[in-house]
Amino acid sequence: RKEVEQDPGPFNVPEGATVAFNCTYSNSASQSFFWYRQDCRKEPKLLMSVYSSGNEDGRFTAQLNRASQYISLLIRDSKLSDSATYLCVVGGATNKLIFGTGTLLAVQP
Amino acid sequence: DAMVIQNPRYQVTQFGKPVTLSCSQTLNHNVMYWYQQKSSQAPKLLFHYYDKDFNNEADTPDNFQSRRPNTSFCFLDIRSPGLGDAAMYLCATSRGTTEAETQYFGPGTRLLVL
Repeated sequence: RKEVEQDPGPFNVPEGATVAFNCTYSNSASQSFFWYRQDCRKEPKLLMSVYSSGNEDGRFTAQLNRASQYISLLIRDSKLSDSATYLCVVGGATNKLIFGTGTLLAVQP
Repeated sequence: DAMVIQNPRYQVTQFGKPVTLSCSQTLNHNVMYWYQQKSSQAPKLLFHYYDKDFNNEADTPDNFQSRRPNTSFCFLDIRSPGLGDAAMYLCATSRGTTEAETQYFGPGTRLLVL
């Protein structure tokens, strides 16, 4: 079983749509959780950290369910500029980041 | 201003010819990481330095080495590149190694092996 698993995608959605990505992780001892965004042929960039209480940043909402070892990202009112690969990332010991393989989002005009 | 700089952005090398990738940072961070990302795959940690302490991942091939001569610079040496080493190599930094420390990534070096 992979340490971090994500929806395979790709997700093709129209502008203005709401889209949700899911992710599960295998190590119950993990303490830190993130969503990164990676544009084609670019480096990953931190989108947001994910906290137990859930957190929101504008159109983006992240949720964490420790009991189910499940993380989600919700994007509301999708923009063309949201098109990218979204990486679910779990922080392990010594700040080692375990990346999921990513979910590709393509927002269509 | 760029905080994590990688040079070159694109590197072409021949099968078996040693190659060195460079990373520098202006953040004065203690930790520097090297990741390998192959096409359509997740970034995979190769090793990291906490100050001068080198930490190798168990599954990193011996073909990959690293040097950190000072706080600002870290190098990735591939002693004998094979075709399977073609990938994007990402450098990242963080202040420390406690969980939830943000890692800042450089733009990556895309390596092509002919």
